[in-house]
Amino acid sequence: GESVGLHLPTLSVQEGDNSIINCAYSNSASDYFIWYKQESGKGPQFIIDIRSNMDKRQGQRVTVLLNKTVKHLSLQIAATQPGDSAVYFCAENRETSGSRLTFGEGTQLTVNP
Amino acid sequence: DSGVTQTPKHLITATGQRVTLRCSPRSGDLSVYWYQQSLDQGLQFLIQYYNGEERAKGNILERFSAQQFPDLHSELNLSSLELGDSALYFCASSLGGSQVGSPLHFGNGTRLTVT
Repeated sequence: GESVGLHLPTLSVQEGDNSIINCAYSNSASDYFIWYKQESGKGPQFIIDIRSNMDKRQGQRVTVLLNKTVKHLSLQIAATQPGDSAVYFCAENRETSGSRLTFGEGTQLTVNP
Repeated sequence: DSGVTQTPKHLITATGQRVTLRCSPRSGDLSVYWYQQSLDQGLQFLIQYYNGEERAKGNILERFSAQQFPDLHSELNLSSLELGDSALYFCASSLGGSQVGSPLHFGNGTRLTVT
């Protein structure tokens, strides 16, 4: 079936290190991908997005890479800080499903001081 | 702050009861989406409304219903509640109704506990 999923449920890094969170998707028709951050007790917060006609997009301390050949998406966080500790979700959007998003299961990122 | 407001923040009720969750979208957004997040689960799409009309439906139970009012706020009604309905319910909004390429902006959710 069609799905957006994450490779690892948990990731633990040291403060100051770079973090890489991965996501696999199975629908080659997906057009648009988003990374969300969810802190405890809060709703998902938009981090960065990328369209399927791009391979890479950079934001402030974050980079999203899209490899359409292997249907793989990753989020790189530079110089990870304790405030980055949260659950990270990838989500996809495809034209056939309108504007709604399909979410993966999430990766818990823990940053150790 | 995403600009999406959800009330109440917490709700505790008994099995068999009915509750209403409320959402006010960001100013200017015409679409409202409802998602359910169970313990250790991702976000499951329930339903979308655009400018008062139902636009898309996901895995929403027949016991659940929603509507969007002329002022664009939305309500999610959950009836004949079961223990398994305990979850976080999130509302999100976006400007458009069907175009690809717009992020959804989420509220902080309503935590529903059914006892």
